[in-house]
Amino acid sequence: DTEVTQTPKHLVMGMTNKKSLKCEQHMGHRAMYWYKQKAKKPPELMFVYSYEKLSINESVPSRFSPECPNSSLLNLHLHALQPEDSALYLCASSQDKSQGARQPQHFGDGTRLSIL
Amino acid sequence: DQQVKQNSPSLSVQEGRISILNCDYTNSMFDYFLWYKKYPAEGPTFLISISSIKDKNEDGRFTVFLNKSAKHLSLHIVPSQPGDSAVYFCAASGDSGTYKYIFGTGTRLKVLA
Repeated sequence: DTEVTQTPKHLVMGMTNKKSLKCEQHMGHRAMYWYKQKAKKPPELMFVYSYEKLSINESVPSRFSPECPNSSLLNLHLHALQPEDSALYLCASSQDKSQGARQPQHFGDGTRLSIL
Repeated sequence: DQQVKQNSPSLSVQEGRISILNCDYTNSMFDYFLWYKKYPAEGPTFLISISSIKDKNEDGRFTVFLNKSAKHLSLHIVPSQPGDSAVYFCAASGDSGTYKYIFGTGTRLKVLA
């Protein structure tokens, strides 16, 4: 059982739709991440939040808009996506780096997104 | 430019034997390395990590070896079990002040019963 929960598991949307992906963790982690993974490729980092503040934006197009309303929740708002945005979107969390030793990231099972 | 490479896209091993998965990196600033396992329709699951101050870390059936001079790490699974069949990713990080991990392209392991 994963401790990072992502909803929905699957999402099909048109290019003009607006939708949101949700991620929740209750491990007390203060760093949360969004990754994008295409078939047969490694996960690619999109955004990092640390203590609810955006820490890293890997030059992601503005049609992806992250939000961290509190320490347990992370959203990814989608608008006017393109067919090439179809991918598996993974959320992860980890303890904050101020904890000292490096901490692994714990992943959810992802949302499989298809853009028509 | 792929800074973390897994040159074997797939590997088949007989149940009970050793599985050895390899990973090479190019950035000498990397100092923390991890292995993840991924089943279909699931997210990556953390397996084991190693810091550059060590050359070996062991956890049950899983051992990671790090050769800094060769910029190479490997994951040994002994004995291999059918449930180990999955895609394995190595990942690397080079700055204790960053949350950014670079993932390799993955190796699909199939353990044959």
